[in-house]
Amino acid sequence: GDKVKQSPSALSLQEGTNSALRCNFSIAATTVQWFLQNPRGSLINLFYLVPGTKENGRLKSTFNSKESYSTLHIRDAQLEDSGTYFCAAEAGGYKVVFGSGTRLLVSP
Amino acid sequence: GALVYQYPRRTICKSGTSMRMECQAVGFQATSVAWYRQSPQKTFELIALSTVNSAIKYEQNFTQEKFPISHPNLSFSSMTVLNAYLEDRGLYLCGARSGANSDYTFGSGTRLLVI
Repeated sequence: GDKVKQSPSALSLQEGTNSALRCNFSIAATTVQWFLQNPRGSLINLFYLVPGTKENGRLKSTFNSKESYSTLHIRDAQLEDSGTYFCAAEAGGYKVVFGSGTRLLVSP
Repeated sequence: GALVYQYPRRTICKSGTSMRMECQAVGFQATSVAWYRQSPQKTFELIALSTVNSAIKYEQNFTQEKFPISHPNLSFSSMTVLNAYLEDRGLYLCGARSGANSDYTFGSGTRLLVI
């Protein structure tokens, strides 16, 4: 089964609203990264987390290793936030496993 | 800052031919390099992980005979797709990091189209 389950698979938001993306892990994740894939395919690094919370502008991410999940909160969504968001978890051995992605569309 | 340059950005090859892609790490030492493939409408599958002073580890369904990887120093890695066929098309990404407890920085990807 999926080692990193990401939800929702797709999300539509109106500009200015808030939402949260989630990843659940069936592996013993030690670190988590969140990325935004832009339309050209490039992965933009958003967060790198050990257990805990980080915030950057309108984005905030939490990684709870005991309960095996991570969340990415988007506040005051803007049009440029549209894209596909991926979480990726490392479970030791340097191997990083990606979730299936959340396609986000922010509309006016 | 840490950057990874990947090239070419896109390439087209005829079915049965091979193509090579390269990654250059700038601003840090690429102790570990991971190569991924994103097939159309799918997530990223790990092809192999290369760590300096260790053997390259290939994931199930990927082999050295099909995807030979070179990681000769702490700033460069390359991967070749041998005998490419339609199912090999997709976006190939390399990610590099300086070691445990550090994040991966990814290149911009090489998009492979097989005709």
